[in-house]
Amino acid sequence: EAGVVQSPRYKIIEKKQPVAFWCNPISGHNTLYWYRQNLGQGPELLIRYENEEAVDDSQLPKDRFSAERLKGVDSTLKIQPAELGDSAVYLCASSLVLAGSYNEQFFGPGTRLTVL
Amino acid sequence: AQSVTQLGSHVSVSEGALVLLRCNYSSSVPPYLFWYVQYPNQGLQLLLKYTTGATLVKGINGFEAEFKKSETSFHLTKPSAHMSDAAEYFCAVTLDTGRRALTFGSGTRLQVQP
Repeated sequence: EAGVVQSPRYKIIEKKQPVAFWCNPISGHNTLYWYRQNLGQGPELLIRYENEEAVDDSQLPKDRFSAERLKGVDSTLKIQPAELGDSAVYLCASSLVLAGSYNEQFFGPGTRLTVL
Repeated sequence: AQSVTQLGSHVSVSEGALVLLRCNYSSSVPPYLFWYVQYPNQGLQLLLKYTTGATLVKGINGFEAEFKKSETSFHLTKPSAHMSDAAEYFCAVTLDTGRRALTFGSGTRLQVQP
């Protein structure tokens, strides 16, 4: 079974440029998460989707960040314009959430963004 | 709201020595607790989890952790370190069956000396 796929793996851009990250979750997983991991820290949630609905985006900086999950499968996270402080690893995770049971989150390898 | 504190950002042990990585949590309700490992340039891999039941949980690669409610701790141990255990380890907590996101600690980098 294929895991969570993310692309690109690495991205270097200049500040004020736009950038987009793509995530393909594990087949059949209804819940998708985007986390940001700053250097030397643990991941922090940016947004969570249940199917195609964003159910928790309270930590997403909405002035420059946007996300979508078309047809409840793949997801794209966009930053426009990027700032120096956006340099981080962006992790995508997915899980199959069923009522009354624990649902492990599976993580992709991440996209390492460097903003110059 | 829940939070996680990992004591020690770097831990160094000799190969064959005991590994002990500390994690304390703060939660208003019984939590679900996890340990993840992250190798360089890779995503997070689940080592073990505590949801309900037995408080001593065993995971992959010989790791185990014990949930101690009275101490609000979930320390990770391994009796004998191997060179391949060198990685970053994250403790995480969530308050329900996984629908919500995980709250992670800041991580502990484990070095294993030959």
